[in-house]
Amino acid sequence: EDQVTQSPEALRLQEGESSSLNCSYTVSGLRGLFWYRQDPGKGPEFLFTLYSAGEEKEKERLKATLTKKESFLHITAPKPEDSATYLCAVKRDDYKLSFGAGTTVTVRA
Amino acid sequence: DVKVTQSSRYLVKRTGEKVFLECVQDMDHENMFWYRQDPGLGLRLIYFSYDVKMKEKGDIPEGYSVSREKKERFSLILESASTNQTSMYLCASSLLGLDTGELFFGEGSRLTVL
Repeated sequence: EDQVTQSPEALRLQEGESSSLNCSYTVSGLRGLFWYRQDPGKGPEFLFTLYSAGEEKEKERLKATLTKKESFLHITAPKPEDSATYLCAVKRDDYKLSFGAGTTVTVRA
Repeated sequence: DVKVTQSSRYLVKRTGEKVFLECVQDMDHENMFWYRQDPGLGLRLIYFSYDVKMKEKGDIPEGYSVSREKKERFSLILESASTNQTSMYLCASSLLGLDTGELFFGEGSRLTVL
């Protein structure tokens, strides 16, 4: 069965304290891995697409990387406005998306 | 600015009631989706549509139906609401293309069934 597992469930960081979020997946045929950010009371907002192992994407303090079995979202020198839930999703063989449960990041000033 | 609008942010319904959740997008997107989001379970796909009057079952379609009479509008229907359908419902749209994973989401409709 296709599965997407994100860890940790929650992450509390001090402002400027860099860290990484993990998304591991088991799908029969990966057709893309996607990262989203979700603020409380809002819908998810698209961040990145990764298609092949070794690929990296960056946006401001966020950098996403992909291996054959997992993806990492690195947050460098985070600020309080980076506080959000980060969701990972993979596109399966049937072209549907499977989402992980998310990692909730809290950055304290 | 692109927008997906869900008509109701909060609803409270009673068991057995018929519930309509409406979603409108202004981006001329072909694909539209309905997800539910529950703590610890992530987003789960209920139904999606890739064209007017077309619909496909997602991973958890039981107890739901959908309607897409116009390209911009996608409705989720709960024929007889039950307490286990209490959840956050998210509508999304995307351009046509099987490999795209860039979805544009609405702000969600939080449904409570008593």
